[in-house]
Amino acid sequence: GAGVSQSPRYKVAKRGQDVALRCDPISGHVSLFWYQQALGQGPEFLTYFQNEAQLDKSGLPSDRFFAERPEGSVSTLKIQRTQQEDSAVYLCASSLVDRGRARTQYFGPGTRLLVL
Amino acid sequence: QKEVEQNSGPLSVPEGAIASLNCTYSDRGSQSFFWYRQYSGKSPELIMSIYSNGDKEDGRFTAQLNKASQYVSLLIRDSQPSDSATYLCAVIPYGGATNKLIFGTGTLLAVQP
Repeated sequence: GAGVSQSPRYKVAKRGQDVALRCDPISGHVSLFWYQQALGQGPEFLTYFQNEAQLDKSGLPSDRFFAERPEGSVSTLKIQRTQQEDSAVYLCASSLVDRGRARTQYFGPGTRLLVL
Repeated sequence: QKEVEQNSGPLSVPEGAIASLNCTYSDRGSQSFFWYRQYSGKSPELIMSIYSNGDKEDGRFTAQLNKASQYVSLLIRDSQPSDSATYLCAVIPYGGATNKLIFGTGTLLAVQP
C-alpha cells in the first residue's frame, strides 16, 4: 500500500515568512510523529498525535511552531515567522496504535526547508 | 551527555567484510531499540528492532543488546557497496507515553568495492 507522503518536498522561504508542511500518514495509522533533522544530525522529536489529539508537543522549539491533525488523518506543521535556524528536513512518521511493545514508525520522504 | 551516542565515522570497510556499528544510551530503563538506515537525501528506513538482551539476526544483519552496559550494536556481514549509508540508532526511553524515538547522530558507513 501507499506509504507516508509529505508535501511540499522542498520549500524555500524568506526569513519572516510563514510556511505549512503537510503529512499524509499510512491509512489506518493512529499515531503520527513529526521530527526535525538538521544537516549531519539525527532526527529530533517535535510532536506526537494519537488520532486528532496532540498528546506530546514537548519537542517544538518555540511558539512559532504549531501542529494540527483535526480529523485524525492528515497533519500540518506550521512555522510562523521563519528564521534561518529553522532550515532543516522535517520528517513525518506514522505507526499503528501503541499497545505494549512500541510499533514500527514508518517515515515519509521529508520536506526540506531552506530559510533565506 | 547526549541520550544516544554514536561514533559519527566515517567507518570504512572493504566489500565482503563485517561492519560493526555501536551505540550507547543513557536512560537505563529504556526498553525498545532500533536501527535505521538513511541514504543521503532520503528518509530513515527500519533495519532492525530489538527489545531483549542478546542477539537478533535477520539475514546479513545482527543486532546485539546489552542492557547492563547500556549498549546496542549492529553487525552487517558480507558488506556490500549498497550498504553505504548513515546508520541511525534510536531508543524509546522509559516512561514515555508517546513512544517517541530518541536518535543518535548516526554513523556513516562506506563499503569500498
